[in-house]
Amino acid sequence: NAGVTQTPKFQVLKTGQSMTLQCAQDMNHNSMYWYRQDPGMGLRLIYYSASEGTTDKGEVPNGYNVSRLNKREFSLRLESAAPSQTSVYFCASSVPGPASYEQYFGPGTRLTVT
Amino acid sequence: GQQVMQIPQYQHVQEGEDFTTYCNSSTTLSNIQWYKQRPGGHPVFLIQLVKSGEVKKQKRLTFQFGEAKKNSSLHITATQTTDVGTYFCAERDDKIIFGKGTRLHILP
Repeated sequence: NAGVTQTPKFQVLKTGQSMTLQCAQDMNHNSMYWYRQDPGMGLRLIYYSASEGTTDKGEVPNGYNVSRLNKREFSLRLESAAPSQTSVYFCASSVPGPASYEQYFGPGTRLTVT
Repeated sequence: GQQVMQIPQYQHVQEGEDFTTYCNSSTTLSNIQWYKQRPGGHPVFLIQLVKSGEVKKQKRLTFQFGEAKKNSSLHITATQTTDVGTYFCAERDDKIIFGKGTRLHILP
């Protein structure tokens, strides 16, 4: 089991460029999440997908779009990158419902927008 | 909306000293989760507390959930260099909302 994988690990973009961050999980989890982490700000939820075919906004969705391609994959797209989007992006997955527990995180993508 | 506040933001301790981080909410929490993130790493789940007054232990780590379910704490006894990192609390509802974390530094 690879768990949660993310690509790329590092990326440098120029302002206005677009890119897609990829995330995949092999644990058969229904729910998937995208977070960004900035110094002193903790983890902030961008978007989440409770199940295949559904997506919902989190705390900081502006400037991002997501696609739940299938049960395994959940991508995050920056259409026109801005320096304020410089951050570390984490994808996570979990089993939904009150009986479930933790989120499993990927290794992160370190994005710099110049 | 959901919001959990963590204190302190930073903590420096001598190796061997104890460490405690606190998580507080203005509303009743349905549960509380704790995660640890090593420097340069990703968050890793430690534990979930659900019941009022619940106490759970993992070796040198003790987790408590308040009687009113509005606060929680993580206590580490006799810190070691391997305890370095940021500790996050989070409430799990239909999504998981994290506190800003407490960064622990260990002085040798």
